[in-house]
Amino acid sequence: DQQVKQNSPSLSVQEGRISILNCDYTNSMFDYFLWYKKYPAEGPTFLISISSIKDKNEDGRFTVFLNKSAKHLSLHIVPSQPGDSAVYFCAASAQTASKLTFGTGTRLQVTL
Amino acid sequence: DSGVTQTPKHLITATGQRVTLRCSPRSGDLSVYWYQQSLDQGLQFLIHYYNGEERAKGNILERFSAQQFPDLHSELNLSSLELGDSALYFCASSAHGGGDEQFFGPGTRLTVL
Repeated sequence: DQQVKQNSPSLSVQEGRISILNCDYTNSMFDYFLWYKKYPAEGPTFLISISSIKDKNEDGRFTVFLNKSAKHLSLHIVPSQPGDSAVYFCAASAQTASKLTFGTGTRLQVTL
Repeated sequence: DSGVTQTPKHLITATGQRVTLRCSPRSGDLSVYWYQQSLDQGLQFLIHYYNGEERAKGNILERFSAQQFPDLHSELNLSSLELGDSALYFCASSAHGGGDEQFFGPGTRLTVL
């Protein structure tokens, strides 16, 4: 049972445009959400997080939006840069739990 | 650099063998987590230790075990290895006992032949 879903395996965006990566979850107990970026042969790198008491969190070019009623979150990258090309994982946890539950990832390619 | 170190980077071994993967968390972090990433799959949670004690178990096989030592480093032991155990194994650490950001090491790529 895939509790965190990233339905787009890949996304291609031109440099300077907005990248929007989407994530859906099914477990109502999830109250903390994170985005990680992963380059080949490296571990995931923490990017940004959001608690369920917020609906938006911003950090530089990265903004995460949370829609609790739809059980949906998205990561916006503006403007996209070639160095942003990587696999992006959405993850979720419940405050009472230890583990992160990951989606299967979206491969972002930013083209010149 | 996340501050989490893992050794070895690569490991090639045969079926039936036993291996140990090692992880050192970021300075000051009390929690260590282990995850497995198989081909074309997301990261699957295996186990969580907090300050030396097991806190939670995920889909960890009985052939696998882990521990966290007094200096907070952790080891993941995999025994009676099978071809299907070939995967990337990541260690992560966090400051508290869960529900906070986890910082990942570079991973150990295990190949079972």
